[in-house]
Amino acid sequence: KAGVTQTPRYLIKTRGQQVTLSCSPISGHRSVSWYQQTPGQGLQFLFEYFSETQRNKGNFPGRFSGRQFSNSRSEMNVSTLELGDSALYLCASSGRQLTDTQYFGPGTRLTVL
Amino acid sequence: AQSVTQLDSHVSVSEGTPVLLRCNYSSSYSPSLFWYVQHPNKGLQLLLKYTSAATLVKGINGFEAEFKKSETSFHLTKPSAHMSDAAEYFCVVSPNTGTASKLTFGTGTRLQVTL
Repeated sequence: KAGVTQTPRYLIKTRGQQVTLSCSPISGHRSVSWYQQTPGQGLQFLFEYFSETQRNKGNFPGRFSGRQFSNSRSEMNVSTLELGDSALYLCASSGRQLTDTQYFGPGTRLTVL
Repeated sequence: AQSVTQLDSHVSVSEGTPVLLRCNYSSSYSPSLFWYVQHPNKGLQLLLKYTSAATLVKGINGFEAEFKKSETSFHLTKPSAHMSDAAEYFCVVSPNTGTASKLTFGTGTRLQVTL
């Protein structure tokens, strides 16, 4: 079974721009979660989507948004990029139950200049 | 609210010697606890998880962890380190019993394995 895939793997943007990251979950998984990893703040939960609905949300500003499509693929959007948004963005997928294990993708490395 | 504290930011061991990575947790509920490993430029891989069943949890690659409620600890151990174990290890807690979403990560412990 193929794992979680994320595209692109690397991105360079400038301040003020917006960016869209994509995540394809493991086949059959309907839950997709997003995390931000930075050296200063570590790994932080952004949000979780299940069946095209946001099920959980972390403490990030409204510039960070996401959506999920009917095939469970998910996108994350960051508008008006700031230097502090430079991070590794990780996507994780799991089955329909909240108890299911989360499986992580390799991440998208975003650099904001 | 829940949290985890990884007591060591960096641990160095010799190949073939035991590994101990320490983690204390805080949770209002009986928690679900996990250990994940991250190799350089790779995603996170689940090593093991505790979800209120057996307190001694065995994971992949010879790792295991023991849930101790009285000490609020969930330390990760391995009898004999291998060079391939060098990586960053994260202790993780979820907010409710049996819930695997909205994970809270510790700050990580970097494991160095020397010859």
